[in-house]
Amino acid sequence: GAGVSQSPSNKVTEKGKDVELRCDPISGHTALYWYRQSLGQGLEFLIYFQGNSAPDKSGLPSDRFSAERTGGSVSTLTIQRTQQEDSAVYLCASSWTRGPSSTDTQYFGPGTRLTVL
Amino acid sequence: SQQGEEDPQALSIQEGENATMNCSYKTSINNLQWYRQNSGRGLVHLILIRSNEREKHSGRLRVTLDTSKKSSSLLITASRAADTASYFCATTGNQFYFGTGTSLTVIP
Repeated sequence: GAGVSQSPSNKVTEKGKDVELRCDPISGHTALYWYRQSLGQGLEFLIYFQGNSAPDKSGLPSDRFSAERTGGSVSTLTIQRTQQEDSAVYLCASSWTRGPSSTDTQYFGPGTRLTVL
Repeated sequence: SQQGEEDPQALSIQEGENATMNCSYKTSINNLQWYRQNSGRGLVHLILIRSNEREKHSGRLRVTLDTSKKSSSLLITASRAADTASYFCATTGNQFYFGTGTSLTVIP
């Protein structure tokens, strides 16, 4: 079946603009995660959703970042008033069941490469 | 700082040799997972080891876990050029934490 998809694959924007990044998880997966990966770095956890529970937003770096997940499926990560340091690859992942202490595998999308000029 | 840290940061070996990567973490975990990332792509899950396990095998992969030292190692035996990628460990406790990764280059 289809894997996790993300759009757009690349996004170039000007400093100060807002951007929206989209993630379509694997159908039936209840957990969804957003990560940020700067060039040559590891993954930085941003936020995760589990079913209808309140999301864990503890990794969001500032209040310019927000995310929502509509209908327990598609998720949108929004970055307001983008800054150059927001430039990174934003990765989305989904898994079958609940979050971090689960043994379920995370399935990753290909990522969105964001460049803020 | 991040929970997981891998070393070495970069590793270059000849095809057929074994590659060993290490991961250290800081707090208690439920399990530890290793992922591979090919250039410009998302991560692919390789193997999971639970906190009560000490060693696990999957094909050419061997993972060890030492919870007393808070460390894990990933061994890839008989490496192939196609193994060239970045390898990340991820620990799960209260959250998922990914390390900074080891960049492996296998020279044909």
